[in-house]
Amino acid sequence: GAGVSQSPSNKVTEKGKDVELRCDPISGHTALYWYRQSLGQGLEFLIYFQGNSAPDKSGLPSDRFSAERTGGSVSTLTIQRTQQEDSAVYLCASSRLAGSYNSPLHFGNGTRLTVT
Amino acid sequence: TQLLEQSPQFLSIQEGENLTVYCNSSSVFSSLQWYRQEPGEGPVLLVTVVTGGEVKKLKRLTFQFGDARKDSSLHITAAQPGDTGLYLCAGGSSNTGKLIFGQGTTLQVKP
Repeated sequence: GAGVSQSPSNKVTEKGKDVELRCDPISGHTALYWYRQSLGQGLEFLIYFQGNSAPDKSGLPSDRFSAERTGGSVSTLTIQRTQQEDSAVYLCASSRLAGSYNSPLHFGNGTRLTVT
Repeated sequence: TQLLEQSPQFLSIQEGENLTVYCNSSSVFSSLQWYRQEPGEGPVLLVTVVTGGEVKKLKRLTFQFGDARKDSSLHITAAQPGDTGLYLCAGGSSNTGKLIFGQGTTLQVKP
């Protein structure tokens, strides 16, 4: 079946512009996660959704970052007034149920964001 | 704040050698997962350990969860070039859906 789909796969933007990153989770997965990864590094937690609610958004770096999820499916991560330090790979993952050890995360291939 | 420390951060070895990667925290986790990531792709789950002291084997890979559920290790026997990649540990808590990751161990196995 279809996996987690992220778009665009690459995005180059000028400093100060807004960007929207999209994530289509696996059908039926109620939990959705956003992470940020710098080159060769680990994953920095940003936010997760259970359904359309975000119980934990503690990882969002600043108020320039926001995310929403509609219909318990597609999610959008928006970065306003982008800065060069926002350059990274943004990974989305989904799972059947958040917080369940037998519901592993399934990741998309990420969106590589470059802010010039 | 829960943190996971992985060591070493980078490992370059010859084919056939053995290696161990460590994942440590001062926090207790209800589960610990190991993922492997290749360039340009998202991480893929290798194993989940849940019980303190648990040992799981996946072919040449052996995973262990510490008795206190604060640490874990990944041991690879007779490494092969196909094992090359970024290995990530991730800790979860039963009372929150949040899953936090370590900073990763980059493994390079030379033929």
